Amino acid sequence: EPEVTQTPSHQVTQMGQEVILRCVPISNHLYFYWYRQILGQKVEFLVSFYNNEISEKSEIFDDQFSVERPDGSNFTLKIRSTKLEDSAMYFCASRGGLSTEAFFGQGTRLTVV
Amino acid sequence: QQQVKQSPQSLIVQKGGISIINCAYENTAFDYFPWYQQFPGKGPALLIAIRPDVSEKKEGRFTISFNKSAKQFSLHIMDSQPGDSATYFCAASINTGGFKTIFGAGTRLFVKA
Repeated sequence: EPEVTQTPSHQVTQMGQEVILRCVPISNHLYFYWYRQILGQKVEFLVSFYNNEISEKSEIFDDQFSVERPDGSNFTLKIRSTKLEDSAMYFCASRGGLSTEAFFGQGTRLTVV
Repeated sequence: QQQVKQSPQSLIVQKGGISIINCAYENTAFDYFPWYQQFPGKGPALLIAIRPDVSEKKEGRFTISFNKSAKQFSLHIMDSQPGDSATYFCAASINTGGFKTIFGAGTRLFVKA
């Protein structure tokens, strides 16, 4: 069964450092997403990406965040200068078309120390 | 309003019982309503989903009831099992550019053996 894969599963970084979280969406999917889940809280939308550009972003997705699809398979989330409050699980998701389900990866646990 | 309100926050059910989780929304632009199941340390996994033109959908022990006029929908888990113990999120998808998914706050279900 096709799945969304994310690497690394856990990333520890120093405050102020840059991190890149990587995702391989399901092939042939067209819509890509990053979500965040702070421990014990709900899953929050960060950004959607379609046709090689951001289609929507939330208030959380400020100038410290960027996304990229550098090749035909990877989809990355970069946090330029991490803050303690960026510590969370980050989930990548992809969707084949509109009005269909989004499939989520297993997440990357980011710990900022 | 792009919120999805979910209740209860936690639920304890005896094995074999029925688990019921309720959600409500306000924005009629939502047009796809998935439920996700999440185990600790894992990503949300799609459980069952419904479109607003359908009042009920059943898959195995899981049933979604959808009341479009009341803007409410619920998940029923029949014959609840200890393996169903997880966090359940209702969600709603809306096309505001990228067809994002908005999650409810989650319900922690514990099924007692």
